[in-house]
Amino acid sequence: DQQVKQNSPSLSVQEGRISILNCDYTNSMFDYFLWYKKYPAEGPTFLISISSIKDKNEDGRFTVFLNKSAKHLSLHIVPSQPGDSAVYFCAAGESNDYKLSFGAGTTVTVRA
Amino acid sequence: NAGVTQTPKFQVLKTGQSMTLQCAQDMNHNSMYWYRQDPGMGLRLIYYSASEGTTDKGEVPNGYNVSRLNKREFSLRLESAAPSQTSVYFCASTSGTGYEKLFFGSGTQLSVL
Repeated sequence: DQQVKQNSPSLSVQEGRISILNCDYTNSMFDYFLWYKKYPAEGPTFLISISSIKDKNEDGRFTVFLNKSAKHLSLHIVPSQPGDSAVYFCAAGESNDYKLSFGAGTTVTVRA
Repeated sequence: NAGVTQTPKFQVLKTGQSMTLQCAQDMNHNSMYWYRQDPGMGLRLIYYSASEGTTDKGEVPNGYNVSRLNKREFSLRLESAAPSQTSVYFCASTSGTGYEKLFFGSGTQLSVL
């Protein structure tokens, strides 16, 4: 059973607007969370992360929010740009472990 | 900067054939991983190697074997390929556990007919 779930397979947003990607997890032992971005024919690349001691982490246009009580995190992209069109994977893990669990991914399309 | 290099990029096999996917990293990372990506399933861990000389099973190890040849190289072997192993395979590496991010190779697209 998947421990990390991204329930929206796709998202279409107009350039300049906000993109909000959601992720839910079931394992209460997870204490760090990451987002990866993937372009076609390339490997995933790290985008942003957050540890369970925080509820928000910001890096430029990207902000990740963590709600531990709801076991939910979200990625906000503001403003969205055409180059943001990609598949975004949510991942989670335990800081003393070597394994990450990934969600199924959300395909973001930014319309001009 | 090469990072994580995977070979081959594409491969077509017949059911029952064997092959080895190669992976090498030049970042002096301790830990290496093999993932497979399938539509609707995301990335699933096949095997990992926390350090040179150790290997462990991930979520979906059946039908695969791995070898951590040295600190740089981590290979994935399919002894008798099956159509269910048609997938995109990614190798990744990281310097350790915890909050260390994974660096991925560009993937191998494998089709088993």
